Amino acid sequence: DAGVIQSPRHEVTEMGQEVTLRCKPISGHDYLFWYRQTMMRGLELLIYFNNNVPIDDSGMPEDRFSAKMPNASFSTLKIQPSEPRDSAVYFCASSLGYTLAFFGQGTRLTVV
Amino acid sequence: SQELEQSPQSLIVQEGKNLTINCTSSKTLYGLYWYKQKYGEGLIFLMMLQKGGEEKSHEKITAKLDEKKQQSSLHITASQPSHAGIYLCGAVSGGSNYKLTFGKGTLLTVNP
Repeated sequence: DAGVIQSPRHEVTEMGQEVTLRCKPISGHDYLFWYRQTMMRGLELLIYFNNNVPIDDSGMPEDRFSAKMPNASFSTLKIQPSEPRDSAVYFCASSLGYTLAFFGQGTRLTVV
Repeated sequence: SQELEQSPQSLIVQEGKNLTINCTSSKTLYGLYWYKQKYGEGLIFLMMLQKGGEEKSHEKITAKLDEKKQQSSLHITASQPSHAGIYLCGAVSGGSNYKLTFGKGTLLTVNP
């Protein structure tokens, strides 16, 4: 398996634009996590899914953020409209039950 | 929610020196994970601890979980420049779902 795949690796967008981040988890994994990493706040859990169902979205900062998992092999994190303070590295991770989580390489988002 | 405190926030050591990074939880840890991250890259799994008093080693890195399962330490013996990076502890909260959250990380610099 190629591991957790995130796209794009880098995204630069203007304030107010819609941004969509994509994640393909490892095949067979039943948990998927979205994290945001900044220098100030570290690695924050935004939302996680179990069997494609959102379990806890208490980390999603605002209504501008939304996440979906239409099937077991794909998830998206959308920001609409984007703001400069959303600039961060966004990570997706997947795991099989209560085992270790594998992380993607991240998407570096810059909102100007 | 579970809060994980890591200390120190940053650490600079001379090559060959030993060092310890600590991770403390406000609640009992049901699973404790140590990851390493190079700047701008994804997280790489190091070790997982689940039982009170458990200790695991890999090459020059040893991780321990205390008997009360609220504190973990990561010890590096005879540090090398290749050990440099950000070390993050992550933990799973109790209950029926696998909510994996992280401390803010410890930035390790090893000077040759």
